[in-house]
Amino acid sequence: EVQLAESGGGLIHPGGSLSLSCAASGFTVSSNYINWVRQTPGKGLEWISIMYPSGDTYYAASLRGRFTISRDQSQNTFYLHITSLRTDDTAVYYCAGAGRPNRGDYWGQGVLLTVSS
Amino acid sequence: EIVLTQSPATLSLSPGGRATLSCRASQSVSCCLGWYQQKPGQAPRLLIYDTANRATGIPARFSGSGSGTDFTLTISSLEPEDFGVYYCQQGSHWPTFGQGTKVEIK
Repeated sequence: EVQLAESGGGLIHPGGSLSLSCAASGFTVSSNYINWVRQTPGKGLEWISIMYPSGDTYYAASLRGRFTISRDQSQNTFYLHITSLRTDDTAVYYCAGAGRPNRGDYWGQGVLLTVSS
Repeated sequence: EIVLTQSPATLSLSPGGRATLSCRASQSVSCCLGWYQQKPGQAPRLLIYDTANRATGIPARFSGSGSGTDFTLTISSLEPEDFGVYYCQQGSHWPTFGQGTKVEIK
C-alpha cells in the first residue's frame, strides 16, 4: 500500500522560509513522478512543482523562483522549500506521486501552512 | 494556461440517482484529462485518468468520456459515500484543475 505523509507546516511570518517533507512508503520516490499541489478556498487546487525520475524539475510559471522541489533517495522522502513567504502562500499543501507526469495517483493527507504576522 | 470550467457548481441528487458532471477546457486537451473526488478534510482521490480509465479500486459506476474540450464524469447510481466535491484536471500542458462540482444529498 502506498502511503505519503507530509510534515513541516505551521505558522510562519511573512518573509520567512520553510521546508515541507513528504515521506513515502510503498512508493519509490526516485523512480516515479513526485509533485506538490496546494489548495486554498479562493484559488482552489494549484499545481506547484513536479520532479521527474531523471531529476528534472518544473514549476508553475507564477511561482518560479521561490519554490524548490528536491528528493532524498536514501530517505525515500521528497521536499518543498519555500522562501520569501507571503500571506497568499497560506494553503493546505499536498504531496502527490504518480507513475506518469502531470497526474496525482497517490496523495498525502495535506499539511496546513499559515503565513501571517 | 488551460482553464477548466466545471458545471454545474452544485448538483443535488438522491442516493440511487445519476450524476452527470461537465468539464470544459479553454483549449483542446489532447490527452490526460482526469477526475478526482475530495471529501472534507481529505486529499483528492484519483477516480479517472486519460478521460475514461478508472483508477485502481474505483467502482464501475464511475465512468468518464469526452474529447477535445468537452469531458464528462458520470456516476450511474449514487451511493452515500459518493457525495463530495469532484474536480477535473488536465495534464496535457502544465497541470490545472477545474473549480469543482459539489455533489450533495437532496
